[in-house]
Amino acid sequence: AQSVSQHNHHVILSEAASLELGCNYSYGGTVNLFWYVQYPGQHLQLLLKYFSGDPLVKGIKGFEAEFIKSKFSFNLRKPSVQWSDTAEYFCAVNAYGGATNKLIFGTGTLLAVQP
Amino acid sequence: DAGVTQSPTHLIKTRGQQVTLRCSPKSGHDTVSWYQQALGQGPQFIFQYYEEEERQRGNFPDRFSGHQFPNYSSELNVNALLLGDSALYLCASSFAGFSSYNEQFFGPGTRLTVL
Repeated sequence: AQSVSQHNHHVILSEAASLELGCNYSYGGTVNLFWYVQYPGQHLQLLLKYFSGDPLVKGIKGFEAEFIKSKFSFNLRKPSVQWSDTAEYFCAVNAYGGATNKLIFGTGTLLAVQP
Repeated sequence: DAGVTQSPTHLIKTRGQQVTLRCSPKSGHDTVSWYQQALGQGPQFIFQYYEEEERQRGNFPDRFSGHQFPNYSSELNVNALLLGDSALYLCASSFAGFSSYNEQFFGPGTRLTVL
């Protein structure tokens, strides 16, 4: 069965600090990988996605993620966070070519950026 | 273009009652997925509807059932409510198409509290 692990449950950073959120998944086949963000009071939004090709993918608002197949990881990064990045971040995986496009989510990382 | 809409926003029920949650997909979408997000957890896949049929189901009991209408809108029904059913219920819509994955767009959710 597919599963997703996010190791950081709660992260507190100061503005301009660099961010890296860990995500590991377990699945033997080819996967599609995603990071979703949930800002306070808002719905889940897609931050970035990896399907194939360049393992370094860029998303909205300056976020990027690197897919490392050998480590089953898809870590999210941002060089310099802003107060507006305060949100909950979810890593998710979808089995490539599956019957449905259901997403398996991690437990989420709550990021608080202090001004 | 309206995104995914859900109703009601909040709902309070007592144990043993039944509840119906509603979802209207984003314009042009024909597939609806339902997720349960318990406090402090990531969303968990309940089931997906396409062409008015349940296409895949997650690890949820039969108390959870659904329906999709010809206009692609969907309902989630939960019978014999338990305290543990308290959660945010998310609806996500997508277009089936022929891609290996089609992006899901999430609604704002319905917050269900079971007392």
